[in-house]
Amino acid sequence: AQKVTQAQTEISVVEKEDVTLDCVYETRDTTYYLFWYKQPPSGELVFLIRRNSFDEQNEISGRYSWNFQKSTSSFNFTITASQVVDSAVYFCALRPNILTGGGNKLTFGTGTQLKVEL
Amino acid sequence: ETGVTQTPRHLVMGMTNKKSLKCEQHLGHNAMYWYKQSAKKPLELMFVYSLEERVENNSVPSRFSPECPNSSHLFLHLHTLQPEDSALYLCASTLGEGAVYGYTFGSGTRLTVV
Repeated sequence: AQKVTQAQTEISVVEKEDVTLDCVYETRDTTYYLFWYKQPPSGELVFLIRRNSFDEQNEISGRYSWNFQKSTSSFNFTITASQVVDSAVYFCALRPNILTGGGNKLTFGTGTQLKVEL
Repeated sequence: ETGVTQTPRHLVMGMTNKKSLKCEQHLGHNAMYWYKQSAKKPLELMFVYSLEERVENNSVPSRFSPECPNSSHLFLHLHTLQPEDSALYLCASTLGEGAVYGYTFGSGTRLTVV
């Protein structure tokens, strides 16, 4: 069974602070994919990043960075120097290896509401 | 706009009504999905269509009936819904398995059942 846990329901920070959103996952697959999505108030989920389970190199994209730790089954997301426009709900998701019968489906966490205030 | 368009954006319906949600994409994707997003719960996968064939039905009640007439359009037909069906219904599409290119989501239909 697949499971994604985002223990932080809501985080409030002041603009320019750094913030880390936690994601812990469970899977029996040895090969899988992890995703982060952003859901602004408009509703659509915006794709941020995809990570293969066999690639543990951390990634940085502008103010965003991701820390993948396979040993602790975590895929945390850090926003550096947060801005008001970063306010949204952020979802972590897991997709199994289709070769083990997992299909196309994503398993989502419950999301973390990030509020960035002036 | 993400490339996946959902209509209507908001829908209020009575428990005896029949309505349909529409999803449209012209991204050349060949798989489409319905997800349900309820407050404080993870997104729940409802249906998956791949090449216009339903490949997944996640124990969804029969009052939800999907239809995929072609690879660009996906419908969710609703009838005799319950108040607990009120949620944001999200449509997504992918090219192939989605792992390489990611999933593209629409903005959703906010459904309220009264």
